Amino acid sequence: NAGVTQTPKFQVLKTGQSMTLQCAQDMNHEYMSWYRQDPGMGLRLIHYSVGAGITDQGEVPNGYNVSRSTTEDFPLRLLSAAPSQTSVYFCASSKLTGPVAEAFFGQGTRLTVV
Amino acid sequence: TQLLEQSPQFLSIQEGENLTVYCNSSSVFSSLQWYRQEPGEGPVLLVTVVTGGEVKKLKRLTFQFGDARKDSSLHITAAQPGDTGLYLCAGPDSGGYNKLIFGAGTRLAVHP
Repeated sequence: NAGVTQTPKFQVLKTGQSMTLQCAQDMNHEYMSWYRQDPGMGLRLIHYSVGAGITDQGEVPNGYNVSRSTTEDFPLRLLSAAPSQTSVYFCASSKLTGPVAEAFFGQGTRLTVV
Repeated sequence: TQLLEQSPQFLSIQEGENLTVYCNSSSVFSSLQWYRQEPGEGPVLLVTVVTGGEVKKLKRLTFQFGDARKDSSLHITAAQPGDTGLYLCAGPDSGGYNKLIFGAGTRLAVHP
């Protein structure tokens, strides 16, 4: 049972480069989201999606784009990488049913922008 | 803006000791969750509390939701090295059940 799969696990980018972080889930979850985790700041929501074709911004969306063409995949694009985007990125998915939703996380992508 | 504050930020203890970590907010939450994150891994859900005053036990871990649903605590009895990790509390954003707000976490180290 794969759950939530993120690739790559590690990445080094130069300032100004673009890249896509991949996220796939095999649990048929409607809700998917991207978080970044920085020391002392917990997890902050970047973008989220409630289903294919529907995305919305979270707390820290600037510099990132997302799309949701299928239920399974939710890629995160960095348009022009900046050192401030050095972080650990987590993709999560959950069923879209209230009132309590368990979030399942991938293993993370550690991104360094130099 | 809903915020979750966790304390302490760091905790280093010896095996066998008891400890309590806290998650506080000025906002009311419909539920709170506790996740544990190990190095190089994503957070994993430990428990969800949904009723004010609720107490849940998971082996040596005891979770409590405050009566006013603004705070929660996690108590570990006789800590073991396997309890080492980052403990995160999370609650649903007012905008939707699935949008989770996370505290900054308590990093626990249990030494043999």
